[in-house]
Parts: sequence; C-alpha cells; structure tokens
Amino acid sequence: EDQVTQSPEALRLQEGESSSLNCSYTVSGLRGLFWYRQDPGKGPEFLFTLYSAGEEKEKERLKATLTKKESFLHITAPKPEDSATYLCAVQPSNDYKLSFGAGTTVTVRA
Amino acid sequence: AAGVIQSPRHLIKEKRETATLKCYPIPRHDTVYWYQQGPGQDPQFLISFYEKMQSDKGSIPDRFSAQQFSDYHSELNMSSLELGDSALYFCASSSRVGNQPQHFGDGTRLSIL
Repeated sequence: EDQVTQSPEALRLQEGESSSLNCSYTVSGLRGLFWYRQDPGKGPEFLFTLYSAGEEKEKERLKATLTKKESFLHITAPKPEDSATYLCAVQPSNDYKLSFGAGTTVTVRA
Repeated sequence: AAGVIQSPRHLIKEKRETATLKCYPIPRHDTVYWYQQGPGQDPQFLISFYEKMQSDKGSIPDRFSAQQFSDYHSELNMSSLELGDSALYFCASSSRVGNQPQHFGDGTRLSIL
C-alpha cells in the first residue's frame, strides 16, 4: 500500500525565515509526486509535479525537489501569505488516484 | 481559467437522509475523482471515472454511489447518512493526456445532525 509521511506537522516561521518541509513516500512505482497548498475551507491548489529523482521545480518562493524516497518543499524568505497547509501526494505508476500525506501547516508571522 | 465547480458548497442533513453532491469538471478533462476529507485529516480517495466509466474505487462505503454523465459532470449519491459522513467532499478533474495534475474544486461541506 502506498504511504506518504510528512514532517513536521506544523511549522511556525518568522517572515523571511527560510525552511523546508519533508515528504517521505513508499510506492510501487512512481508515476508522479505532487505538492498542493490548501487554505482553510478550500480545495487543494496545485503547486508542482515531480516525476523522477533529481528533478526540481520552482515557483516564486517555493522550490520542490525529489529523490527516490522523499521530496522537499523549500520555502525561501516566506511571507505571511504563504501561511497554509502544504500537502504532498503520490500517484503510483499503475494507477491515477492520489494518496496524500497528512500535511504540514505553515504559519508565517509578520 | 475555468475551474472545477462543485455544488452545493454547504449541505446539512440528518441521520438516515440522502444527499447528492454535484461536480462539473474543467472542460476537456477526461477523468473525475472524488475525495473525502474529515476534520484535520488528509483527503481520502473514494472513486474515479475515466470517459464516463468507473475507473477505480477506493474506500467508498456501499451506501455511496457515483456516476458520470454524458456532459462529463459527476454526481456522488449518499444514502442512509451517518454522523461519521460529516466531512468535506472534493471533486478533482484531470486529463490523462500528458498525465496532467488533478485540479480540485472548493468542495462540499456536508454536516450530519
């Protein structure tokens, strides 16, 4: 069974204080690893797809990286508007459904 | 850009009642997914449809059923509702061409009294 573990559960940052979120996974062949951002009461908002080890994607203050066993979401110089829950999900090679981790809730204080 | 539309946004029901949730996917997306997110939990896959045919089934109770119609919209039908069915229900859509990511609607918040 596919497993996704995210750490830490919660992260409190000062504005401008860079940090990283971890997503460890086990899957029987990886079609893709996805990062989403979720605000309270809203649906997950797509951020990145990573397909193979060594791949990196960047968008504004966010950068996602992938190895064979884990992915990192780096937040550089965060702003209060980056406060959200960040979800990691894997899609196995023999399927299309997503298995999500429990998420990391990031709070950025001004 | 068009997004996934879900209705209603909020629904309040009593135990043993039925509920129907609707989802309108992004145009030209061929696959629709339903997920359930309990309070403080991650989304759990329920069921998916590819080109109007059921393609995968997850932890969906037998009391729930779903279908996708000729216009590609999908409905999740829930019967004999229980208190534990209270959750956010998300619909997502994607295109398998190029393995595009799933895009989610803002969900239906179902509360069972």
